[in-house]
Amino acid sequence: SYELTQPPSVSVSPGQTASITCSGDKLGRKYVCWYQQKPGQSPVLVIYQDNKRPSGIPERFSGSNSGNTATLTISGTQAMDEADYYCQAWDISTAAVFGGGTKLTVL
Amino acid sequence: QVQLQESGPGLVKPLETLSLTCTVSGYSISSGYYWGWIRQPPGKGLEWIGNFFHGGSTFYSPSLKSRVTMSADTSKNQFSLRLTSVTAADTAVYYCTRAYCSSTSCYEFDNWGQGTLVTVSS
Repeated sequence: SYELTQPPSVSVSPGQTASITCSGDKLGRKYVCWYQQKPGQSPVLVIYQDNKRPSGIPERFSGSNSGNTATLTISGTQAMDEADYYCQAWDISTAAVFGGGTKLTVL
Repeated sequence: QVQLQESGPGLVKPLETLSLTCTVSGYSISSGYYWGWIRQPPGKGLEWIGNFFHGGSTFYSPSLKSRVTMSADTSKNQFSLRLTSVTAADTAVYYCTRAYCSSTSCYEFDNWGQGTLVTVSS
């Protein structure tokens, strides 16, 4: 079955750039999206089709996907960005698959 | 603005059937998009259950496929989830979602309900 691997945690200082990776076999050949989930809330789509931002998502959120790794980048990270982040892709064997999630801490 | 709201029992006994309904407002479920369910066990990550297109394709998680059924009631603009023979491992927050899919793949889940906790316990 297809798996996506994320680091369990990432820390960043306010105003700095946070990068969260998502790894999977030949992931660059698939579309990847990213979700933000704050405590007690539903996930929110922040990046879709590798690098597109839904309406209402700040420009500081960006995405890339190449080779075996997709990356969510948050530029000028703010305290409000502290949350869990999940990557997601579609594979012919497992259909929709999520990464295990990364807890972003803004110190 | 599309809004989704889950409803259903919060407690289900082991080996019984979990049934949830999602009421959609702001968009007709028969107008397009795929609709479905994702769950999240307490303190854990997200697990996709499945998606369907009204009158068309259905995608189910291979690990849950034998126990899952999804259906729609377009007159009420609702869709439903049935999960049979539940165990404690099915305890989770269940989210209903709208998905952007082609006939062969789903790409992203762009709208989510607030989620409802279902506990499996005797």
